[in-house]
Amino acid sequence: DAGVTQSPTHLIKTRGQQVTLRCSPKSGHDTVSWYQQALGQGPQFIFQYYEEEERQRGNFPDRFSGHQFPNYSSELNVNALLLGDSALYLCASRAGQSSYNSPLHFGNGTRLTVT
Amino acid sequence: AQKITQTQPGMFVQEKEAVTLDCTYDTSDPSYGLFWYKQPSSGEMIFLIYQGSYDQQNATEGRYSLNFQKARKSANLVISASQLGDSAMYFCAMRDPRDYGGATNKLIFGTGTLLAVQP
Repeated sequence: DAGVTQSPTHLIKTRGQQVTLRCSPKSGHDTVSWYQQALGQGPQFIFQYYEEEERQRGNFPDRFSGHQFPNYSSELNVNALLLGDSALYLCASRAGQSSYNSPLHFGNGTRLTVT
Repeated sequence: AQKITQTQPGMFVQEKEAVTLDCTYDTSDPSYGLFWYKQPSSGEMIFLIYQGSYDQQNATEGRYSLNFQKARKSANLVISASQLGDSAMYFCAMRDPRDYGGATNKLIFGTGTLLAVQP
């Protein structure tokens, strides 16, 4: 039973560039969320996708956008990269109809470095 | 606003001993859920234990237990019989159903505690 998988594992970009990160949810999960974890901090919620629509969004600018595909996989896009976007980006999934106490399952993350 | 506070940046514990990691939370809503996650150096967040605000008993999962004191708004994680593999970052997090109801995937995380288990 494959868990949450993310690609790539590491990425180096230059300021001003654009980046796309990818995520496949755990088997049986249909809702995907993205988190940003800066060094020494806890993860911060970016947004959540369910039924191919953005359902909830954290306090992130419009440079951060996403997409969910019919197979439930998801992409996170970040435009006009800033040095402050350097972080570990975590994808998490859960079954949309699961009970309230069901946990999020996280991937290993993508380490993005902006130079 | 919801907030999670973890005041211990780092902790040491001897192998086979018990350790308590502190977590306090702030919310004005009577309904909420509290989670603890472990993050090894690999980066993956591993779910450990859950406590709901209406749960009458403290949650337990194997060597993990949660010391839930609602009036004090604290949800401390207790790890019994520490093992070398327990060395990792530990995060306390809260889910608030006011955000998008029970279907929300939004967790508010603390800054974490780095636990080092010594042989």
